[in-house]
Amino acid sequence: DIQMTQSPSSLSASVGDRVTITCQASQDIANYLNWYQQKPGKAPKLLISDASNLETGVPSRFSGSGSGTDFTFTISGLQPEDVATYYCQQYINVITFGQGTRLEIK
Amino acid sequence: EVQLVESGGGLVQPGGSLRLSCAASGFTFSFYWMSWVRQAPGKGLQWVANIKQDGSEKYYVDSVKGRFTISRDNAKNSLYLQMNSLRAEDTAVYYCARDRGGQDTAMVWGYDYWGQGTLVTVSS
Repeated sequence: DIQMTQSPSSLSASVGDRVTITCQASQDIANYLNWYQQKPGKAPKLLISDASNLETGVPSRFSGSGSGTDFTFTISGLQPEDVATYYCQQYINVITFGQGTRLEIK
Repeated sequence: EVQLVESGGGLVQPGGSLRLSCAASGFTFSFYWMSWVRQAPGKGLQWVANIKQDGSEKYYVDSVKGRFTISRDNAKNSLYLQMNSLRAEDTAVYYCARDRGGQDTAMVWGYDYWGQGTLVTVSS
């Protein structure tokens, strides 16, 4: 199975900051990558599909980029409601998720 | 409005069985691949199983092969997960999730809708 490695595993940032999370695949997955947000006690929510496609209704401060093995998820202007754990997920073959990045507000 | 509602979770002893159900509404259920994804307490997400639109293809994570069976009833807009020979490491919240690929897709593309989850606890 393809391993997805996210970093960092946790981070703390201030409101308004630019936040970046990276995800590295153990082999080439082209752009077969999604990003999810999971708030405590809730189901995950799809934010970005196909590495860079923002889902309908998702604020434009969220963005994604990358292809092949290296991907980036960015929040441009962190808001208090963005406190959550973020997961990358590949779907080129057997679905696997990254281990998650817990985001907190300073 | 798309809704996925899981049920059937609970406390079961090691070696026991449970059957999870997911009732779908608000979309044409038979058009979509469906999956079960689980999350152990305080841990990350793990895909468990998925099933093609017509039920003709089913796939499982290695750790549940031979113990879990995914099925669906398109007439009842329902997804199921029969879990046998349960182990402590199967303890998790189990989510029902809809694939975002839509009609006629031949693969799973990820999940655009999720249920609220149902907790399965395997303990003596």
